[in-house]
Amino acid sequence: SQQGEEDPQALSIQEGENATMNCSYKTSINNLQWYRQNSGRGLVHLILIRSNEREKHSGRLRVTLDTSKKSSSLLITASRAADTASYFCALTNTGNQFYFGTGTSLTVIP
Amino acid sequence: EPEVTQTPSHQVTQMGQEVILRCVPISNHLYFYWYRQILGQKVEFLVSFYNNEISEKSEIFDDQFSVERPDGSNFTLKIRSTKLEDSAMYFCASTLRDEQFFGPGTRLTVL
Repeated sequence: SQQGEEDPQALSIQEGENATMNCSYKTSINNLQWYRQNSGRGLVHLILIRSNEREKHSGRLRVTLDTSKKSSSLLITASRAADTASYFCALTNTGNQFYFGTGTSLTVIP
Repeated sequence: EPEVTQTPSHQVTQMGQEVILRCVPISNHLYFYWYRQILGQKVEFLVSFYNNEISEKSEIFDDQFSVERPDGSNFTLKIRSTKLEDSAMYFCASTLRDEQFFGPGTRLTVL
């Protein structure tokens, strides 16, 4: 399967805590991207990490990529209630097709 | 900031009818995509379009589906003879290089 698989499937934390979500995959990739989706809404691009990168930061987001383990993690620091959403990893390999995982549903409790 | 737009936001149709979902990609983007997300499930790739032709399509994208870029700005997905299982959110996306920008989606309900 070329899609990413996120874990956990669901995560519930208190506001202010950090949230970590993981994505594992089986094929080689060109890049991996993380998206957020609020319930019933579209996908919002969060961050892109290329296969030759190991870590990227964007505000409260930190993404790591370990190509030897074929895994990526998304860390959201100092979570807020507004971070409540589903988070998906999407990977691309040689084509330009995106393969989405099943997502992690994050609930941040105020 | 430029964005991908989609119309309508919600489409209700009777089984067997044809629907056309419309998208306006970001103007300087080169690749266009349609994805589907059945309620509670993952986002599934349907088709990619480049240089006025389909570049890749998934197994889902059978003869029931077609895409078109009729006028250089709109990008449409036509679903012929809709079935109950076609009910889903349909997302359009466009990209210049790596990052895909998604539209807000059209919720299709087939009755």
